[in-house]
Amino acid sequence: AQSVTQLDSQVPVFEEAPVELRCNYSSSVSVYLFWYVQYPNQGLQLLLKYLSGSTLVKGINGFEAEFNKSQTSFHLRKPSVHISDTAEYFCAVSDVNFNKFYFGSGTKLNVKP
Amino acid sequence: NAGVMQNPRHLVRRRGQEARLRCSPMKGHSHVYWYRQLPEEGLKFMVYLQKENIIDESGMPKERFSAEFPKEGPSILRIQQVVRGDSAAYFCASSSDKYEQYFGPGTRLTVT
Repeated sequence: AQSVTQLDSQVPVFEEAPVELRCNYSSSVSVYLFWYVQYPNQGLQLLLKYLSGSTLVKGINGFEAEFNKSQTSFHLRKPSVHISDTAEYFCAVSDVNFNKFYFGSGTKLNVKP
Repeated sequence: NAGVMQNPRHLVRRRGQEARLRCSPMKGHSHVYWYRQLPEEGLKFMVYLQKENIIDESGMPKERFSAEFPKEGPSILRIQQVVRGDSAAYFCASSSDKYEQYFGPGTRLTVT
């Protein structure tokens, strides 16, 4: 079975600074990878996904992530964060049939002015 | 196109009562997933349904929990004889092609 580890439960960062949110997964088979954002009292919104092709994936709101198969990682990055990026971010993997999705425990990004 | 709707948004039940959570997928979506989120934790997969079929329910507790997605109407997650440990946020997501899930705002269940 797959599992997802988000190493940082909280990441404080100043506005306009770069940020990286780390995600590692374990799987013996091919998987598909996702990043979601959750604002308080709301559902999750898809930021980006990796299905195949280029390992550098660009998403909404200026976020991007890089799939690294050898390190089984899918870290999320943004070169310059805004206050409005303050939210909780979840990494997820699915099996190749998309029948089941596994989520990490989340990283709370706190952008300070 | 309205998003995924869940109701109620908040539900309070006493121990032993039944909880019914509803999820109306986006128009044209035939795939529905249910997840449970405990405080300070990520989402845990519960069940994946297509119209009138349960495809994968491996994340659902064997007792007291059931889910359905009828031909007409919303998907229902039913919890019988609720206990305090069932208190959580329950999210559903719908999809047209399985590649991208659209999440509802969640139902926050509190068991007193």
